[in-house]
Amino acid sequence: GAGVSQTPSNKVTEKGKYVELRCDPISGHTALYWYRQSLGQGPEFLIYFQGTGAADDSGLPNDRFFAVRPEGSVSTLKIQRTERGDSAVYLCASSLDRRETQYFGPGTRLLVL
Amino acid sequence: SQKIEQNSEALNIQEGKTATLTCNYTNYSPAYLQWYRQDPGRGPVFLLLIRENEKEKRKERLKVTFDTTLKQSLFHITASQPADSATYLCALLPGTALIFGKGTTLSVSS
Repeated sequence: GAGVSQTPSNKVTEKGKYVELRCDPISGHTALYWYRQSLGQGPEFLIYFQGTGAADDSGLPNDRFFAVRPEGSVSTLKIQRTERGDSAVYLCASSLDRRETQYFGPGTRLLVL
Repeated sequence: SQKIEQNSEALNIQEGKTATLTCNYTNYSPAYLQWYRQDPGRGPVFLLLIRENEKEKRKERLKVTFDTTLKQSLFHITASQPADSATYLCALLPGTALIFGKGTTLSVSS
C-alpha cells in the first residue's frame, strides 16, 4: 500500500517568506507526527496529532511554527517569517495509534536563503 | 536532562564482517528502544524494537541487545554487505514522540 507522502520534496524560499509543507499519512493512521532533521543530527520532535487535534506541540520552536490536521488525515506544517535557521529536512510520520510503529515519509528539504 | 548517545559517528568495515553499533541513554527509563535505518535523502525506516524485559532480539542478520542496567543497546549486523551501508538511528519513546540519537553512518566495503 501507499506509504507516507510529503510535498514538496524540496522548497527554496527567501528569509521572511511564508511556507507550507504537506503530509499525507498512511490511510487509517490516527497518529501523525512532524519532526525536523538538521544535517548530521537525528530527527527532533515538533508536534503530534491524534486525530484532528494537536495532542502535543511542545516541540515547536516558537510561534512562527503552526500545524493543522483539519480532517484527521492530511496535515500541513506552516512556517511564518522564515529564518535561515529554519533550513532543515522536515519529516512527517504516521502510526496506527500512539506508541505503535511510526512510518516516515521522505521529508521536505527546506532551504531559506 | 535526557540524552541519547550513539558514540560512533562513522563505522567502516569490510564485507562479511559483523558491524556493532552502540546506543547509550541517560535519565530515561524506557519501556522499549527502537532502531531505524536512514538512507541519504530518505526518511528513517523502522528495523527492530526491543522491550525492557527482553535481553536480545533477532531479525534475519540483525541482532539487538538491551541492557537496562548499563542503559545501553547494541545493534549487530552479521555477514555485512555493501547494501547495509546507511545511517542507523536508535530511538526511545519516553512520552509522546520518539527521541533519536544522532545516528551512526555505516560503510561496508567490498
